[in-house]
Amino acid sequence: SQQGEEDPQALSIQEGENATMNCSYKTSINNLQWYRQNSGRGLVHLILIRSNEREKHSGRLRVTLDTSKKSSSLLITASRAADTASYFCATDASQGGSEKLVFGKGTKLTVNP
Amino acid sequence: SAVISQKPSRDICQRGTSLTIQCQVDSQVTMMFWYRQQPGQSLTLIATANQGSEATYESGFVIDKFPISRPNLTFSTLTVSNMSPEDSSIYLCSVRGRLTDTQYFGPGTRLTVL
Repeated sequence: SQQGEEDPQALSIQEGENATMNCSYKTSINNLQWYRQNSGRGLVHLILIRSNEREKHSGRLRVTLDTSKKSSSLLITASRAADTASYFCATDASQGGSEKLVFGKGTKLTVNP
Repeated sequence: SAVISQKPSRDICQRGTSLTIQCQVDSQVTMMFWYRQQPGQSLTLIATANQGSEATYESGFVIDKFPISRPNLTFSTLTVSNMSPEDSSIYLCSVRGRLTDTQYFGPGTRLTVL
């Protein structure tokens, strides 16, 4: 079964606004990774946050992690039309060096110009 | 980071045939992963491919349907056998970067089965 569940499933905003996407998971994790996918193409890695970290920034991206609530959020500030894509969270709960990722269902973000 | 290429980028195949997808990485890696993304869905792990040993398949995926080869530390192939329209998906290869937990993905192979 899916480890991560994103919400909302779809989000439509205007250029310049902020977009927040949430991800919940079920078991203890080693880290959580966020990815972007444009129009069914390959996945672009955005940010990795470890279980002992609470917040990370990368440019206009801010990721938080709350292990007590088993949830993470991805904030995109000052959105642009080029941010239109699907965003996925993926959790690494691997043990014994398996390195497996389990993906959530994703949030489809549309940024209107 | 790791640079991953996949061939073919897309294909349209007839029911009952097989397609082999190639994945090439620019550095040596221990594990390579194959994922499937059905239309409008998220990614599901098919199997983990280790060099020199049989691939480890996830629940719901079997070797007869998705045979995998891993001849060296930079290359792997996934075959989708005896295809049906339900196999129409994007197939993605993935590796973990060296000295990092970040997992990188190839551009994907978009398969359509008629």
